[in-house]
Amino acid sequence: GAGVSQSPSNKVTEKGKDVELRCDPISGHTALYWYRQSLGQGLEFLIYFQGNSAPDKSGLPSDRFSAERTGGSVSTLTIQRTQQEDSAVYLCASSLGDAVETQYFGPGTRLLVL
Amino acid sequence: AQSVTQPDIHITVSEGASLELRCNYSYGATPYLFWYVQSPGQGLQLLLKYFSGDTLVQGIKGFEAEFKRSQSSFNLRKPSVHWSDAAEYFCAVGTINTDKLIFGTGTRLQVFP
Repeated sequence: GAGVSQSPSNKVTEKGKDVELRCDPISGHTALYWYRQSLGQGLEFLIYFQGNSAPDKSGLPSDRFSAERTGGSVSTLTIQRTQQEDSAVYLCASSLGDAVETQYFGPGTRLLVL
Repeated sequence: AQSVTQPDIHITVSEGASLELRCNYSYGATPYLFWYVQSPGQGLQLLLKYFSGDTLVQGIKGFEAEFKRSQSSFNLRKPSVHWSDAAEYFCAVGTINTDKLIFGTGTRLQVFP
């Protein structure tokens, strides 16, 4: 079946502009996660959704970052007033929702802020 | 707080040689442990995971990992490396209380013919 998909695959933007990153999870997966992978860094947790609610937003680095999930499916990560340090690969993952379940990752969106 | 350390940033091996990638974790209770692989331009793929039971876990592509509670380690092994194993490998820890994964910084594996 279809895996996790993300769009766009690449995004170049100017400092100060807003960007939206989209994630389509695997059908039937109730849990959805956003991570950020910066050059030379590991993966950094950003936010976790269970259904449409976000019980854990602890990883969002600033109030410029927000995310929503509608219909228990598609999620959008929005970065307002982008900064150069926001440049990274943003990865989305989904799972069946239990802590023991495998998280399946999408290919990521590579964001470059000039 | 949970944390994961992968002490080797970059490892180079010859094709056919054995491989061991190190992973140490910090967590107060029994952790859930994962190894993921990321090939160039690809998303992360799960190699194997440990939740409980047998401490030697078999995964895909001929990989295995052993959970050693006394050493807080979960090292990844493969007896004979193939050129296609060249990738970045991430160890991660999860917990029963939260669903997020805490990742190490990764180990980049290079395989020479």
